[in-house]
Amino acid sequence: AQKITQTQPGMFVQEKEAVTLDCTYDTSDQSYGLFWYKQPSSGEMIFLIYQGSYDEQNATEGRYSLNFQKARKSTNLVISASQLGDSAMYFCAMRELVQGGKLIFGQGTELSVKP
Amino acid sequence: ETGVTQTPRHLVMGMTNKKSLKCEQHLGHNAMYWYKQSAKKPLELMFVYSLEERVENNSVPSRFSPECPNSSHLFLHLHTLQPEDSALYLCASSQDSAGSYNEQFFGPGTRLTVL
Repeated sequence: AQKITQTQPGMFVQEKEAVTLDCTYDTSDQSYGLFWYKQPSSGEMIFLIYQGSYDEQNATEGRYSLNFQKARKSTNLVISASQLGDSAMYFCAMRELVQGGKLIFGQGTELSVKP
Repeated sequence: ETGVTQTPRHLVMGMTNKKSLKCEQHLGHNAMYWYKQSAKKPLELMFVYSLEERVENNSVPSRFSPECPNSSHLFLHLHTLQPEDSALYLCASSQDSAGSYNEQFFGPGTRLTVL
């Protein structure tokens, strides 16, 4: 069974607008962490933001915020005021406590920011 | 600047060659990881090392042989590879391997092409 699902293979957004990237996950564990990474064309995976399963508030980091809905098992990434440099692949990932260090990634969403 | 470096950045090798990928982290972390990223697929975890001991081998073929001589260095020795092994190989490190929160810092990757 797929643990992390990103249903949007590609997204377009106009510069300076906000965009939401979807991610749903599947786990029976009560303790887990959710991560978002950005991968530009250079290949490096850049950590963006983290949400713990027990965190009551949605995580925010600068222009990045999460819409975390635990009951629906979704953690959507919101990028506000998109910039041309935001064009990249975005990966959602989950780490379950019982799985130790294993980080499971979704298939990614390719975001293109239009000028 | 993530503190994780990988060499070489690009590698082309024949199926009979033997080569090694190198990863070095300057973050004082205790855990290191190898991932494989093939086109149009999620990242696949290959190996996890914690305090220089292998804690996970994710059903990786024996033609991939990891080595972790100390907590700062990780190698991936390659021999008798197949064309389907062509991919981006990413190294990552984190403070520890366990726990639901342990942000992983990634290197820039090695783009491997097997002819």
